[in-house]
Amino acid sequence: NAGVTQTPKFQVLKTGQSMTLQCAQDMNHEYMSWYRQDPGMGLRLIHYSVGAGITDQGEVPNGYNVSRSTTEDFPLRLLSAAPSQTSVYFCASSRTGTGETHSPLHFGNGTRLTVT
Amino acid sequence: GNSVTQMEGPVTLSEEAFLTINCTYTATGYPSLFWYVQYPGEGLQLLLKATKADDKGSNKGFEATYRKETTSFHLEKGSVQVSDSAVYFCASGGYNKLIFGAGTRLAVHP
Repeated sequence: NAGVTQTPKFQVLKTGQSMTLQCAQDMNHEYMSWYRQDPGMGLRLIHYSVGAGITDQGEVPNGYNVSRSTTEDFPLRLLSAAPSQTSVYFCASSRTGTGETHSPLHFGNGTRLTVT
Repeated sequence: GNSVTQMEGPVTLSEEAFLTINCTYTATGYPSLFWYVQYPGEGLQLLLKATKADDKGSNKGFEATYRKETTSFHLEKGSVQVSDSAVYFCASGGYNKLIFGAGTRLAVHP
């Protein structure tokens, strides 16, 4: 059972570089999301998607882009990395997540990103 | 907007002690409520959930009751083990998103 798979596990970037964090799920979940985790701040939502072709912004979307061309994949793109984007990034999916009705989220193991 | 507040950690307990981690939420409606647990180096895992007022979620000896009158969802366990050491997150079902608290680190010593 693969669940939610994130790659890479670790990444170091220089300021101004771009990269894509990959996320794939094999549970046929409609809802997918990206969070960043910073010490003392819990998890903050970056972007989310309620289905293929549909994406929306979360709490901290600036500097990040997403797309959802298939149900399975939800990549997160950093356009021009900044030191403030140093964080641990988690992808999560659930069967449903629209309105206030939420199935539990299934999380990947995270990508630790350092921007120097 | 919706928000979740949970007690700051770290919480340090001896094995077999009673655990309470407080969580309160603000919401416009009646959201689903969740507790997640994160072990070192891993993603979050669902611990328990409750979907309506007075529901009690339970799992692995942990319990939490959805209290609409006090807008709370406190996590309790009667006798903690060293293996319960982790970070615990309370979450509330906001519109099209789950809103997480800042997390509470629990350390249990033998």
